[in-house]
Amino acid sequence: SYVLTQPPSVSVAPGQTARITCGGNNIGSKSVHWYQQKPGQAPVLVVYDDSDRPSGIPERFSGSNSGNTATLTISRVEAGDEADYYCQVWDSSSDHYVFGTGTKVTVL
Amino acid sequence: EVQLVESGGGLVQPGGSLRLSCAASGFTFSSYWMSWVRQAPGKGLEWVANIKQDGSEKYYVDSVKGRFTISRDNAKNSLYLQMNSLRAEDTAVYYCASLIVSDAFDIWGQGTMVTVSS
Repeated sequence: SYVLTQPPSVSVAPGQTARITCGGNNIGSKSVHWYQQKPGQAPVLVVYDDSDRPSGIPERFSGSNSGNTATLTISRVEAGDEADYYCQVWDSSSDHYVFGTGTKVTVL
Repeated sequence: EVQLVESGGGLVQPGGSLRLSCAASGFTFSSYWMSWVRQAPGKGLEWVANIKQDGSEKYYVDSVKGRFTISRDNAKNSLYLQMNSLRAEDTAVYYCASLIVSDAFDIWGQGTMVTVSS
């Protein structure tokens, strides 16, 4: 089965840039989606199809995808960005949806 | 307002059954694939099952195949998950989610907790 690997944690100072990676075999050939989940809340889609943002998501959230790594970038980090972030793809070989292991972003 | 509201969670003994429901509003429910996603306490997200617009195609994660059944009633704008032969490892918050934009889960419910314990 297809596996997506994320770093367990990322720490960043307010106003700086956070980069969260999502590794998978030839992930660049797939569409990658990213979710933000705050404690006790449902996940929220923040980036879809590698780099598109749903309505209402700040431009500070951006994404890229190439080779074996996809990246979610959060610019000008704010305290309210502290949350768990998950990447996700659809694996066509198994008709299964796959989530990454999740990354906890801490704002120092 | 676009909304998904789950119900039906609770405490059930190992081997027992439970039926989850998800009521959709604010969008054309019958036009989109729908899914169930779960999250065990302190763990990450896990896709469970999804169903095509007309119910003709259904897919499941291997760990629930043969035990869980996803279904929908487009006339009632509702999604269901029938869970049988429940195990301790099925303990989780269960979310229903829509697949409107691409193959991303774009709308989520608030979740319903399922606890399997004796």
